[in-house]
Amino acid sequence: AQSVAQPEDQVNVAEGNPLTVKCTYSVSGNPYLFWYVQYPNRGLQFLLKYITGDNLVKGSYGFEAEFNKSQTSFHLKKPSALVSDSALYFCAVRDHTGTASKLTFGTGTRLQVTL
Amino acid sequence: GAGVSQTPSNKVTEKGKYVELRCDPISGHTALYWYRQSLGQGPEFLIYFQGTGAADDSGLPNDRFFAVRPEGSVSTLKIQRTERGDSAVYLCASSPLAGNTDTQYFGPGTRLTVL
Repeated sequence: AQSVAQPEDQVNVAEGNPLTVKCTYSVSGNPYLFWYVQYPNRGLQFLLKYITGDNLVKGSYGFEAEFNKSQTSFHLKKPSALVSDSALYFCAVRDHTGTASKLTFGTGTRLQVTL
Repeated sequence: GAGVSQTPSNKVTEKGKYVELRCDPISGHTALYWYRQSLGQGPEFLIYFQGTGAADDSGLPNDRFFAVRPEGSVSTLKIQRTERGDSAVYLCASSPLAGNTDTQYFGPGTRLTVL
């Protein structure tokens, strides 16, 4: 069974500082990995995904994520945080095998960016 | 273009009642997914459709839950004899196809409260 762990319930960072939101995964075979962001009373917005190729993936709003197969991680990063980045972030994984199409999500990490 | 839309945005019902939640996917998207998000948790997969047929309904918690997509576009999630534990945000997503690499685009959700 596939699973995702987001070890931090909340990450606090000052505006202008770099941010990292952690994600590790467990899946049989090669993973497809996704990051989504959720603002209050809104649905999930897609940020970026790793399918294959370059381990560093660039996405929306200046976010990027690094796939590390040996550590089974896919941490989300941004060089300089903005107050408007404050939201709930979800990592998700999909199994590479078969035609299974569902996403398995982590429990989410709340990012709080302060002035 | 228009994203995924869901109606109603909020639904309050009494224990034992029947409810229907509607999802309008992005035009032309073949695959449609339903997820349920409980407070403080990540979304959990319920069911997905490829065209008109339910390709995977392994996430439906019991036989009180049922979903249809009769014309391959709009989908309705139906919950019979609602229970307080059904209270959650129900999210719908669509993707162009049902391939493992496809991005799922989410709607804003329906918040269901069972009193």
